[in-house]
Amino acid sequence: KQEVTQIPAALSVPEGENLVLNCSFTDSAIYNLQWFRQDPGKGLTSLLLIQSSQREQTSGRLNASLDKSSGRSTLYIAASQPGDSATYLCAVKGPAQGAQKLVFGQGTRLTINP
Amino acid sequence: ETGVTQSPTHLIKTRGQQVTLRCSSQSGHNTVSWYQQALGQGPQFIFQYYREEENGRGNFPPRFSGLQFPNYSSELNVNALELDDSALYLCASGPRPSSYNEQFFGPGTRLTVL
Repeated sequence: KQEVTQIPAALSVPEGENLVLNCSFTDSAIYNLQWFRQDPGKGLTSLLLIQSSQREQTSGRLNASLDKSSGRSTLYIAASQPGDSATYLCAVKGPAQGAQKLVFGQGTRLTINP
Repeated sequence: ETGVTQSPTHLIKTRGQQVTLRCSSQSGHNTVSWYQQALGQGPQFIFQYYREEENGRGNFPPRFSGLQFPNYSSELNVNALELDDSALYLCASGPRPSSYNEQFFGPGTRLTVL
């Protein structure tokens, strides 16, 4: 059974810092991994999608990496801003859990202090 | 291009009642998935619909049921509501049920069961 873990559960940093969020998964046979942002009480905004054949994806100040063999992904946020404050979720899709469903971690709640 | 929309935004029901939540998929998408997100948790997969047929189901009891219509919009029905059904219900759409496709989420419906 695929399990996804995100550590830490919460992170607070001053504005301007670069930071890394971590995601680990137990079954390395995945199709892809997706990073989402969720503002309080809101839906999910897709940030980056990494296919299993890719090592990383970049969008603006965000860079996500994938190491399938070790079951790990990181989301790097450069020059953090107060508007980056949100919960960040990672999710994997793979054959073990049924190809159609995403398995999510519990998220990292990020606070950027002005 | 219209994104994924959900209605209603918020809903309050009492234990034992029935509820129907609605989702309109993103333009060009014919696959709809439903997720339940309890407070402080990651979303959990309920089921997916493709071309009006259920195409995968998570570990939810039969009182959770769904429909997909010819225009690819969808409904989630929950019978005999329980207090633990209180959650944010998220709908996601995709172009087809491929393992490699990105999923796009709506804003969610917040259900409170009293």
